[in-house]
Amino acid sequence: GAVVSQHPSWVICKSGTSVKIECRSLDFQATTMFWYRQFPKQSLMLMATSNEGSKATYEQGVEKDKFLINHASLTLSTLTVTSAHPEDSSFYICSARLLRTQYFGPGTRLLVL
Amino acid sequence: AQSVTQLDSQVPVFEEAPVELRCNYSSSVSVYLFWYVQYPNQGLQLLLKYLSGSTLVKGINGFEAEFNKSQTSFHLRKPSVHISDTAEYFCAVGYSGYALNFGKGTSLLVTP
Repeated sequence: GAVVSQHPSWVICKSGTSVKIECRSLDFQATTMFWYRQFPKQSLMLMATSNEGSKATYEQGVEKDKFLINHASLTLSTLTVTSAHPEDSSFYICSARLLRTQYFGPGTRLLVL
Repeated sequence: AQSVTQLDSQVPVFEEAPVELRCNYSSSVSVYLFWYVQYPNQGLQLLLKYLSGSTLVKGINGFEAEFNKSQTSFHLRKPSVHISDTAEYFCAVGYSGYALNFGKGTSLLVTP
């Protein structure tokens, strides 16, 4: 139980384009989902907290107009990287909360050329 | 504020040997503590968690951890490791809104 999926698993795009990443809780409903970013050989950095039916809460230093988060249902949250640039290349991981525990997706590797 | 310190960035160990990965936390309120494992190019998998109750917590793949409030520690142990345990291990503390603060991670390298 408590399975979280992400799609796509990897994506390559051109600079200036937008990319959407989906995060789904497959066997439970999640009122809260989280988006993280991970650089090579580093820990996870929380980008934002996504609550179903309300606006996401962004961490300090994260551009909300660049990283658009939508949590329209209890099983789906999306992260859209708008006007992507090479410095946005990274590993993005989502998690979904079930009671007090976060369950993580497999991650999405984004490469912006 | 809650924070986590993982004392070892890398832990090399021989196969079938015991291992302990150390984690200390700081918190002024009740804590929820977690250990996650990350294999290369994958997401995080929950190994075990402490929310309340028994201080000795057993998880998947033969791992266990002990919550020690007086020493503010939550060390992860396994009596006999396998090659397949080679991975990155993250200790995390939960705080308000159920968000997590992660440690910097410990790279466990198991060699024959």
